[in-house]
Amino acid sequence: GQQLNQSPQSMFIQEGEDVSMNCTSSSIFNTWLWYKQDPGEGPVLLIALYKAGELTSNGRLTAQFGITRKDSFLNISASIPSDVGIYFCAGHRAGGTSYGKLTFGQGTILTVHP
Amino acid sequence: EAQVTQNPRYLITVTGKKLTVTCSQNMNHEYMSWYRQDPGLGLRQIYYSMNVEVTDKGDVPEGYKVSRKEKRNFPLILESPSPNQTSLYFCASSLTALGSRNEQFFGPGTRLTVL
Repeated sequence: GQQLNQSPQSMFIQEGEDVSMNCTSSSIFNTWLWYKQDPGEGPVLLIALYKAGELTSNGRLTAQFGITRKDSFLNISASIPSDVGIYFCAGHRAGGTSYGKLTFGQGTILTVHP
Repeated sequence: EAQVTQNPRYLITVTGKKLTVTCSQNMNHEYMSWYRQDPGLGLRQIYYSMNVEVTDKGDVPEGYKVSRKEKRNFPLILESPSPNQTSLYFCASSLTALGSRNEQFFGPGTRLTVL
């Protein structure tokens, strides 16, 4: 099955720096979701996007639904040590046999040095 | 507390010994799903269920079975486990499959090792 192409695979940054990661696909998506996974836990939803061009913030996090509906990005501003974890993008593809399926990216491992 | 629960959290078994991983949600969600997580591959959907008695294959269904006899439960069954099914498994649920209420909530995970 198709996966989303998420980049970068990993990031090592200093506390206080901004972070940017993105997901791309060859297919059109109706919904983009961004999750964070802490060690030993299940993914937790950060931001949900439902319209092309939509820009949504959640505290220091900002995500956008690309206007082509084939990409999305997540920015984290002024990173702090508790931002450490794995970030996943996920999306629902438009209609047909994809109805009900949620596709995930490979994940971005974020390390923040104090 | 609204949550998705999975049991067991950890399981070591041998090839061919049938096992079931249970999943339960207390949020009256219609949609439930199973994923496996492997290094470098992210989460891959195994099976999903749009509602009671309605199940469908995800991207990696081979070697797995599911059932949805009640709204709150969605067990994952491995009839004859093999070592390539060693993985971290997550159950998830959402109010609906699509639209603005499709945010999925995940359980804590089940780490399965098949020897």
